[in-house]
Amino acid sequence: EAQVTQNPRYLITVTGKKLTVTCSQNMNHEYMSWYRQDPGLGLRQIYYSMNVEVTDKGDVPEGYKVSRKEKRNFPLILESPSPNQTSLYFCASSLRDGAGHEKLFFGSGTQLSVL
Amino acid sequence: AQSVTQLGSHVSVSEGALVLLRCNYSSSVPPYLFWYVQYPNQGLQLLLKYTSAATLVKGINGFEAEFKKSETSFHLTKPSAHMSDAAEYFCAVSEGGSSASKIIFGSGTRLSIRP
Repeated sequence: EAQVTQNPRYLITVTGKKLTVTCSQNMNHEYMSWYRQDPGLGLRQIYYSMNVEVTDKGDVPEGYKVSRKEKRNFPLILESPSPNQTSLYFCASSLRDGAGHEKLFFGSGTQLSVL
Repeated sequence: AQSVTQLGSHVSVSEGALVLLRCNYSSSVPPYLFWYVQYPNQGLQLLLKYTSAATLVKGINGFEAEFKKSETSFHLTKPSAHMSDAAEYFCAVSEGGSSASKIIFGSGTRLSIRP
């Protein structure tokens, strides 16, 4: 089954404790992206990746890191989490061709609370 | 720079009534436009996509949207609302072409259906 898998589904942590949210897709998609969803703000892009070893900042990259060593995986790293990073996070991937983006496939989300 | 504005953070209609969710976009190049739906505790799913073919786009679950370049709009409609349509709806825009990178989302519209 084609899917984007995020882990964990829920995470409670404390300020300053490094954490990683994993994302994996089994569709051989080139494009992967991380979003955070906050009430009234919709989805805001954190980082995206056009292909292996190619990553770029989205609209709200501060406090986050990503890596794309393999095509299927795109982990989101918070080196020193702060309470303002409490949010619902979504990973997504899509197939891209010469005409642009096909549809995004989303993971089920990770609810992060930073105390 | 691209942007998306969704008018109305919350829309409530009666079951069987017309659904109209508004989306206006800004893009310096011909855009790709999307509507996504998010059911409670789930990731987003694609409803429909405009990619410069037909201006009236039909999607899943009886939804459709019309691209109006003169109004820079891409409003989502459904002739007759069903209780199962209650969800949050997001309009999104991206540039077309192989260099397309960001996909920008609106702030979302929560649709409620009254019995």
